[in-house]
Formats: sequence, C-alpha cells, structure tokens
Amino acid sequence: SAVISQKPSRDICQRGTSLTIQCQVDSQVTMMFWYRQQPGQSLTLIATANQGSEATYESGFVIDKFPISRPNLTFSTLTVSNMSPEDSSIYLCSVGTSGIETQYFGPGTRLLVL
Amino acid sequence: GQNIDQPTEMTATEGAIVQINCTYQTSGFNGLFWYQQHAGEAPTFLSYNVLDGLEEKGRFSSFLSRSKGYSYLLLKELQMKDSASYLCAVYGQNFVFGPGTRLSVLP
Repeated sequence: SAVISQKPSRDICQRGTSLTIQCQVDSQVTMMFWYRQQPGQSLTLIATANQGSEATYESGFVIDKFPISRPNLTFSTLTVSNMSPEDSSIYLCSVGTSGIETQYFGPGTRLLVL
Repeated sequence: GQNIDQPTEMTATEGAIVQINCTYQTSGFNGLFWYQQHAGEAPTFLSYNVLDGLEEKGRFSSFLSRSKGYSYLLLKELQMKDSASYLCAVYGQNFVFGPGTRLSVLP
C-alpha cells in the first residue's frame, strides 16, 4: 500500500479566508481523490484530481470553491476558498494504487472555521 | 443517481459472528468496497468485490450479488478492536459511500 501524508493535520480558520491542503504520496499513483467527511457522517467525494488537467468535480462541488492542483503523480492540493462555518469538516485525500480497486486514504485534515 | 443503504448501528458480543448488509442502486457498476473506520481515524480498505460471490480474507469476508444490488460484510471471531464504523462504497458512474454502520463489540 502507499504511504500518504497530508498537511496540515488540523487548522482553525477565520470565515472568509482560504486554506490549501497538501497530499503527498510516497510512490506514483494513477488516481487521486479528495473527500469531505462532516461530523458524524460518511464520506462525500469532492473531485478526482487529474494529473496535468483540470479536476473532475462531483455534483454540488465547483472549482471556484474547491480549486485542485495535481502537478505530478505523487502530489495534489485542495484549496477551500472563502470559508464559512459550514466548511468545517475533515478533508481526506485518497489514492488508487492500481486503478480504483485499491483505494487508500491519507490521515485527513481537520478543519474548523469560526 | 446512486443510493446506498446500511443499518445505522449494530451490537455484537466478543467471539461472535456479525453480518453487516449493504444494498445499493447505481448507474453502472465497477465494484463494491468495504472500509473500516475507527473514530477519529481515516478509513482503511477491507475488501473489493466486482464479481458475484464470496471473497474471504482471514476473519473478514465480503459477499456480492450484482443482480440483487446487495452485499454483506461478515466478521468472524469478533474482537473488541473491531468496534468501528463499516462503510460500504460503490463505484458506478462515480464513487459513492454509504452512511456507514457503527458496530459495537461488547465483552
């Protein structure tokens, strides 16, 4: 399995600001994903991070709010823009090491917006 | 659209067997996954089914029936450390997680 790290592990932010979350993998992976998990709830896929092209967003998520970069096969960033308290959540990066069949999650970033 | 249902909570006794069911409706089907998530931690991959039948991995087994839109996760010889949420996820047109089943293992 891949070793995945995320930065920051947690943060407390003010309303209206933006936060960029980094996801680093120790090996090249074909697929990288960003999820949100709100308190007490299951995971919701935000987008698939595509290397060298624009991310593919799920219904209800837009690029202006959650811009994503993926400059290479081991790194991606998710920005949460113009934050509001409703954005308080855990944000998780996951990778598919051999296609979608094996998907592993990073440790997550706990975000609290005041 | 896609819809996934799981029981919200289950309780079982240490050493017993428990079956966690998952029913789904999806547009397209490319596989069904089970994940374990302990409180405050990220999900960990347990199993992947793409063909009908039973996949066994030690104390954990996962079953799939594509025609019925049904899967279950079977946990044998339950241990206290198995207390966690179990998430069913389906990869159809996109990747969708179910609401999760919170399992409590009692001594």
